[in-house]
Amino acid sequence: EIVLTQSPATLSLSPGERATLSCRASQSVIGYLAWYQQKPGRAPRLLIYDASYRATGIPARFSGSGSGTDFTLTISSVEPEDFAVYYCQHRRNWPPVTFGGGTKVEIK
Amino acid sequence: EVQLVESGGGLVQPGRSLRLSCVASGFTFDDYAMHWVRQAPGKGLEWVSGVSWNSANIGYADSVEGRFTISRDNAKKSLFLQMNSLRTDDTALYHCAKDISGSIRYFDSWGQGTLVTVSS
Repeated sequence: EIVLTQSPATLSLSPGERATLSCRASQSVIGYLAWYQQKPGRAPRLLIYDASYRATGIPARFSGSGSGTDFTLTISSVEPEDFAVYYCQHRRNWPPVTFGGGTKVEIK
Repeated sequence: EVQLVESGGGLVQPGRSLRLSCVASGFTFDDYAMHWVRQAPGKGLEWVSGVSWNSANIGYADSVEGRFTISRDNAKKSLFLQMNSLRTDDTALYHCAKDISGSIRYFDSWGQGTLVTVSS
């Protein structure tokens, strides 16, 4: 099973700052990686799929990059509504599909 | 608008069974793979099971393999999860999720979930 490790666990930022979230896979997932945002009490929302493609309706300030084992989600300028938990997910050699443990982006 | 509405959760004793349902609307159900993803209280996301558009490809997490069975009825636009031999660590909010394609890829729409509590 491929394990996804996200870092940092918590990221404290002020609105307007740049957010850089990392997801590392225990073996190559090629480019088969997605990012999700989850706010308290809400279902997750797909942000990025296949490492770098924005899902429908996702603002351009969200971008994804990486391949193989190292991936990054970047929020170019954090808005107040972006404070949430972010998860990465792979689909390589499923089953299983697995998620990372999450990164919480909180207000500094 | 895509809508996914789960039902069937509740309080159940360890070792018993439960069947979850998800009714879909707002999209062509039989074009897309579907999944169950759960989230234990205060914890992260865990994929449970997925089924391709035509049920030809089905997969399970190791933690539920042999105990849970996923199925779909395309005519009724419905997804199901039969859960047997439930354990306390199966306690979670269970979300139904739509894939972005007919095969197993990523989840672009989610239901609000149905809560399963396994306790004596």
